[in-house]
Amino acid sequence: GAVVSQHPSWVICKSGTSVKIECRSLDFQATTMFWYRQFPKQSLMLMATSNEGSKATYEQGVEKDKFLINHASLTLSTLTVTSAHPEDSSFYICSARDGESRYGYTFGSGTRLTVV
Amino acid sequence: KQEVTQIPAALSVPEGENLVLNCSFTDSAIYNLQWFRQDPGKGLTSLLLIQSSQREQTSGRLNASLDKSSGRSTLYIAASQPGDSATYLCAPTGNQFYFGTGTSLTVIP
Repeated sequence: GAVVSQHPSWVICKSGTSVKIECRSLDFQATTMFWYRQFPKQSLMLMATSNEGSKATYEQGVEKDKFLINHASLTLSTLTVTSAHPEDSSFYICSARDGESRYGYTFGSGTRLTVV
Repeated sequence: KQEVTQIPAALSVPEGENLVLNCSFTDSAIYNLQWFRQDPGKGLTSLLLIQSSQREQTSGRLNASLDKSSGRSTLYIAASQPGDSATYLCAPTGNQFYFGTGTSLTVIP
């Protein structure tokens, strides 16, 4: 079955530094990947849609310059949290859709980011 | 923009009870609808996927129904167990998908 690998699973960083999160589709080509964020006790919120070879589409209220998304290949999308602050501490999850199928999505295992 | 609401927000039941989780959505132009489970601090686990042309799907003790025209889906859990304790999310899928607010389920031994 389709597998999405997300790395790292957790990370602690200092305020002001940048953190990169990777999302890889291991056995399929993902033309579209999605990035979600979840704050404690809240539901997942879509941050942006990442399309291979083009600029990501960000949801309203999500800062493009702060959350840099790169989808340079059909199997890899990265989310970089730049100049991280404690309020960026959250759970980030990626999801990928097989380019040839509309039948479901596969999720990464998520990344717990803590900014101190 | 799709708006997805799940009721109840939290539910606590004794072990063995049958229960129903509700999901409503505003945009019926969907390809499918998925139900997910999320354990604290972990990623999502897909439970059931219902295509837009289907009315229901079953997997073990889980049964999900879909009424696309009215924008509703239900997840039925039979004979609940403590291991079912988690947050359950529904996600109607169009060109993108948006998660519901989730139902936090606690099954008491």
